[in-house]
Amino acid sequence: QITLKESGPTLVKPTQTLTLTCTLSGFSLSTNGVGVGWIRQPPGKALEWLTLIYWDDDKRYSPSLKSRLTITKDTSKNQVVLTMTNMDPVDTATYYCAHLFYGGYRPFDSWGQGTLVTVSS
Amino acid sequence: DIQMTQSPSSLSASVGDRVTITCRASQTISSYLTWYQQKPGKPPKLLIYAASSLESGVPSRFSGSGSGRDFTLTISGLQPEDFATYYCQQSYNTPYTFGQGTKLQIK
Repeated sequence: QITLKESGPTLVKPTQTLTLTCTLSGFSLSTNGVGVGWIRQPPGKALEWLTLIYWDDDKRYSPSLKSRLTITKDTSKNQVVLTMTNMDPVDTATYYCAHLFYGGYRPFDSWGQGTLVTVSS
Repeated sequence: DIQMTQSPSSLSASVGDRVTITCRASQTISSYLTWYQQKPGKPPKLLIYAASSLESGVPSRFSGSGSGRDFTLTISGLQPEDFATYYCQQSYNTPYTFGQGTKLQIK
């Protein structure tokens, strides 16, 4: 059974850097074809795709946020880490990580429960 | 970026009704279209992938169709548990953009 769990701070101050960890279970990012993505959702608003990383370390970023985002993987810990710099109150959202297979036809078939991050001084 | 436009943004219906939600891409995306259902406080749940393939475990009253730019999600015989928000997403090119969502409410 594939599961993902997000962890990290619930409150960050403006201009700070956010670091979130997604811990994977039931699959490995060292397996061919596997990927993990990050998606966020501001309160009461739509989903926004942020970034993804594949087993071969191929990384993709949202163009509008690319300068602020970094995604990495630690296959020994079975974790994916998202960092977002220069946080602003508009970045307040629930952040989800999700599993996908390379190829795009069946993206994000399993999701974590999400973690709410509030940006406030 | 490929823009995804859903309509309507909200919809009121009754148990037993048949409803259709549409999603239009700003350029052709072949069949790289996924539908999700989201309930309050929960992550999205994958319903339909590759425009018309039903995810395992999803009731057959859900169906998807379309290719190119225009897609539909149909729910035949609404059940109480179907009242939720529905999102489409394209996975033809990154960024894998989502539609703005359709909130399905009880009439």
